[in-house]
Amino acid sequence: GNSVTQMEGPVTLSEEAFLTINCTYTATGYPSLFWYVQYPGEGLQLLLKATKADDKGSNKGFEATYRKETTSFHLEKGSVQVSDSAVYFCALRGGNTGGFKTIFGAGTRLFVKA
Amino acid sequence: GAGVSQSPSNKVTEKGKDVELRCDPISGHTALYWYRQRLGQGLEFLIYFQGNSAPDKSGLPSDRFSAERTGESVSTLTIQRTQQEDSAVYLCASSSSFETQYFGPGTRLLVL
Repeated sequence: GNSVTQMEGPVTLSEEAFLTINCTYTATGYPSLFWYVQYPGEGLQLLLKATKADDKGSNKGFEATYRKETTSFHLEKGSVQVSDSAVYFCALRGGNTGGFKTIFGAGTRLFVKA
Repeated sequence: GAGVSQSPSNKVTEKGKDVELRCDPISGHTALYWYRQRLGQGLEFLIYFQGNSAPDKSGLPSDRFSAERTGESVSTLTIQRTQQEDSAVYLCASSSSFETQYFGPGTRLLVL
């Protein structure tokens, strides 16, 4: 079945550092890919998404590119801020067998120090 | 309302008791999802409702778990004879499209 694997955390960075959180997936066909973020004390919210190969999702300075050839959707940001401290979840939906289910990765906690 | 709401926000119960968790989706959203998030882990799909279609129950972990939804409104998730391993945050999400889900704040369940 479909699955999502993302790098384990926590990730600790200094402010203005470059961020990469790796995400790879297993699925047949062309699923949609998502990054969700969960800020402390808040609910999950969609950060960005990409629905087809080579699409780039972007929001709030974060970017992720749908790479079919490497089955990856790595999250990047050029300069992190303290306010980016949160848990980030990579997710997949659809493909040949996924239907309406969304499969989430285990989450990666990011700490950004001032 | 403006977003997905869930109640109660916290629930402490004794092993063996039944609990009911409620989700109010965003008005007009036809799709509703329940997930479970154990401490330090990712989201585990439980059940999906889409309009008047039969729900996708494939993620329910045992027959102690059930969920209902009336039309395109409120949903309740019921856990019978709770066990300590049921302790988790239960998240509800709704969607009007195939893609973006909007999550509620969750119900934190603790089974003693």
